[in-house]
Amino acid sequence: NAGVMQNPRHLVRRRGQEARLRCSPMKGHSHVYWYRQLPEEGLKFMVYLQKENIIDESGMPKERFSAEFPKEGPSILRIQQVVRGDSAAYFCASSPFVRDDSDTQYFGPGTRLTVL
Amino acid sequence: DQQVKQNSPSLSVQEGRISILNCDYTNSMFDYFLWYKKYPAEGPTFLISISSIKDKNEDGRFTVFLNKSAKHLSLHIVPSQPGDSAVYFCAASAGSNAGNMLTFGGGTRLMVKP
Repeated sequence: NAGVMQNPRHLVRRRGQEARLRCSPMKGHSHVYWYRQLPEEGLKFMVYLQKENIIDESGMPKERFSAEFPKEGPSILRIQQVVRGDSAAYFCASSPFVRDDSDTQYFGPGTRLTVL
Repeated sequence: DQQVKQNSPSLSVQEGRISILNCDYTNSMFDYFLWYKKYPAEGPTFLISISSIKDKNEDGRFTVFLNKSAKHLSLHIVPSQPGDSAVYFCAASAGSNAGNMLTFGGGTRLMVKP
């Protein structure tokens, strides 16, 4: 299966704990995006990364949230001191580096975070 | 400020008939549009896309139409099948290079009745 991988699929945390969400892009893809979907809403962009670089984090909350995409290993979305409002589905997407107008992003299955 | 809107939260269609899902946008910088299909507890699955230099793109049962002057796009599914029942999201990006964020609509739940 060469699709976008995310783990864990479900994550339960108590208020104040840390949540770490992992994403492995499709083989050959060098661009990773994180989106969040709150209940009954569409997906909202959070951050766009390439290897070892954050390119656009305009959708990330200013506090408690961080993301990285190291040279080796998966991309990590980290939420510190979680609050109930962080409960949502977090989706990772990847796209290849291309020089034409293909902008297609392919999504992983998501991580459903529940904060108790 | 919702830049991409799907005004119909749900749509019910009989099997074999045409399903038409609509999407409106406000940002004139958007030049690449995509439709995704999503089942519960799964990630969005890419269906079809269209660049702003075209007004129609077809792939099997799926056709996307783009009306730039009206800032409107639609997805036609014909014939509709029960397996098409899902939530459909339209998305848009500004700029034609890989690496631009997608702005999503709120989704339309399609129900295809046997």
